[in-house]
Amino acid sequence: SQQGEEDPQALSIQEGENATMNCSYKTSINNLQWYRQNSGRGLVHLILIRSNEREKHSGRLRVTLDTSKKSSSLLITASRAADTASYFCATDFSGNTPLVFGKGTRLSVIA
Amino acid sequence: EAEVAQSPRYKITEKSQAVAFWCDPISGHATLYWYRQILGQGPELLVQFQDESVVDDSQLPKDRFSAERLKGVDSTLKIQPAELGDSAMYLCASSLGPAQETQYFGPGTRLLVL
Repeated sequence: SQQGEEDPQALSIQEGENATMNCSYKTSINNLQWYRQNSGRGLVHLILIRSNEREKHSGRLRVTLDTSKKSSSLLITASRAADTASYFCATDFSGNTPLVFGKGTRLSVIA
Repeated sequence: EAEVAQSPRYKITEKSQAVAFWCDPISGHATLYWYRQILGQGPELLVQFQDESVVDDSQLPKDRFSAERLKGVDSTLKIQPAELGDSAMYLCASSLGPAQETQYFGPGTRLLVL
């Protein structure tokens, strides 16, 4: 079973706009990670946020975590066509449990 | 930049045949993972190794799947016999340690069972 659920399932925006994806999970987590997957390729790690953190930034990426709502959001600012990919959140309950990936959000950025 | 290597990239086989996938993790990474990803879904863990030992294979269909990492470096995942439902992307990933920190993924092997 998959722990995280991304929303929306698919998102289409114009280049230069911001893209926001959400992830909800069911049980308390140790940390939450976001990964990107280009079509037919492996996943690339984007950012990790720990359960005691509320916000992290990395370049054009901003991740928030609300443990009271069991949810996280990934914001990509000033999107580019190269950002077109699927984005997955992955959660773990402790350092000894495997990462559980959601079904992903498919982002299309139109030039 | 060091990468996780996987081969083959694509594999087409007929049901009941045997298939094998190979993975070479980033040098020095003690933990190796095999995932299966069905189209439109997220990756699901099949097996996790810490060095040469299996840490978690609870989701590995052991009647037909096997995995080994004999010298604690590269790894092989085998399916025998393959079934139609095994068609998927098989991803290998590695990380420095056993904690669920950043995982580095290979390009994957796309399997089609006819």
